[in-house]
Amino acid sequence: NAGVTQTPKFRILKIGQSMTLQCAQDMNHNYMYWYRQDPGMGLKLIYYSVGAGITDKGEVPNGYNVSRSTTEDFPLRLELAAPSQTSVYFCASSYRDRNEKLFFGSGTQLSVL
Amino acid sequence: GENVEQHPSTLSVQEGDSAVIKCTYSDSASNYFPWYKQELGKGPQLIIDIRSNVGEKKDQRIAVTLNKTAKHFSLHITETQPEDSAVYFCAAVGPYEKLTFGTGTRLTIIP
Repeated sequence: NAGVTQTPKFRILKIGQSMTLQCAQDMNHNYMYWYRQDPGMGLKLIYYSVGAGITDKGEVPNGYNVSRSTTEDFPLRLELAAPSQTSVYFCASSYRDRNEKLFFGSGTQLSVL
Repeated sequence: GENVEQHPSTLSVQEGDSAVIKCTYSDSASNYFPWYKQELGKGPQLIIDIRSNVGEKKDQRIAVTLNKTAKHFSLHITETQPEDSAVYFCAAVGPYEKLTFGTGTRLTIIP
């Protein structure tokens, strides 16, 4: 089991560029999440999914989009990157209960310059 | 909405001593309280959790206590070791299953 796999690990974007952060889990988990982590701010939920085809906004969704076409994959799309999106992004998943016993990926460090 | 405050933000302890990290929450309806450990360059990892119907839970050198009346919960690490050095996050799940994280505590174990 690889758990939750995120790619890329690092990326530098120019203002206005777009990119997709990839996330895949091989644990057959129902729930998947995207968080961003800013220094001294804890983790903020961007989007989450309760299953294939179902997504919903979290606390800070503006500037992002997601899709969940399969149980395994949950990509995060950044359109028109802005400096405020400079952060570390974590994908996570959980099996049975929403927001309980989350498994996190190793993160993507994104800089927008 | 739920607000989770975590203290201290940094903590240094001698190897072998105990470490305590405290969190308070605002919503009395919160019912699930996990603790995550984040090592450098890695994602957070669940180390222990407790539900609102339990006052204390232990797992080897780690314990969590919950005081529902005062709305606070704490992480206790005994006999600290160098590998305990990390950032620790508390969290609470409140109404509508919303998960709110604290701002983290950087724990350093001094050899």
